[in-house]
Amino acid sequence: QVQLVQSGAEVKKPGASVKVSCKASGYTFTGYYIHWVRQAPGQGLEWVGWINPNSGGTNYAQKFQGWVTMTRDTSISTAYMELSRLRSDDTAVYYCARDLYPTITMVRGVGVAWGQGTLVTVSS
Amino acid sequence: EIVLTQSPGTLSLSPGERATLSCRASQSISSGFLAWYQQKPGQAPRLLIYGASSRATGIPDRFSGSGSGTDFTLTISRLEPEDFAVYYCQQYGSSPRITFGQGTRLEIK
Repeated sequence: QVQLVQSGAEVKKPGASVKVSCKASGYTFTGYYIHWVRQAPGQGLEWVGWINPNSGGTNYAQKFQGWVTMTRDTSISTAYMELSRLRSDDTAVYYCARDLYPTITMVRGVGVAWGQGTLVTVSS
Repeated sequence: EIVLTQSPGTLSLSPGERATLSCRASQSISSGFLAWYQQKPGQAPRLLIYGASSRATGIPDRFSGSGSGTDFTLTISRLEPEDFAVYYCQQYGSSPRITFGQGTRLEIK
């Protein structure tokens, strides 16, 4: 079955960077986009961006452009999201999610399988 | 960016009742590219509906989605105890600018 397993919780100081991993199994890793979504404590869901694991191509929400980087390692079926210049309001649970639609389609954006979430706490 | 507004913010109902959740978009969503998710405390979101009305695999048929253009609805025909959660709509019609609604909390009356 499709499974996404994320790395563990992180505590970072303001201005630092954090890199969260998302290991996929149960399907062809390069066949589906991976999205990253975050959720601040007690708040709603916010889309951060996506990566095409096949090509490495990315697309980030405008808010995150310039300080988020998404990469992947196809040899170990793992996607990564790195956030730099962390601030206290970046404290959130970060989820990865596999898209419903194959990369060969022109439709994307539905998270059909989700990781368990990674809590990133930014505090001095 | 398409803004999604969900109503009501909180819905208080009893098991067995019918729940109707609304999601209104600031502009028309192309091809009905709207999804609904359920989220319980401490858990990741769970996909319920995509394409405005298609149920995801394993979702009970008491969940149904409808709508087009700017107005969409998630209906739960007969509430089960496990249905009390937060529900989010999400549009992917203007992808890559994907947006979520602010959520509707469905609580036990």
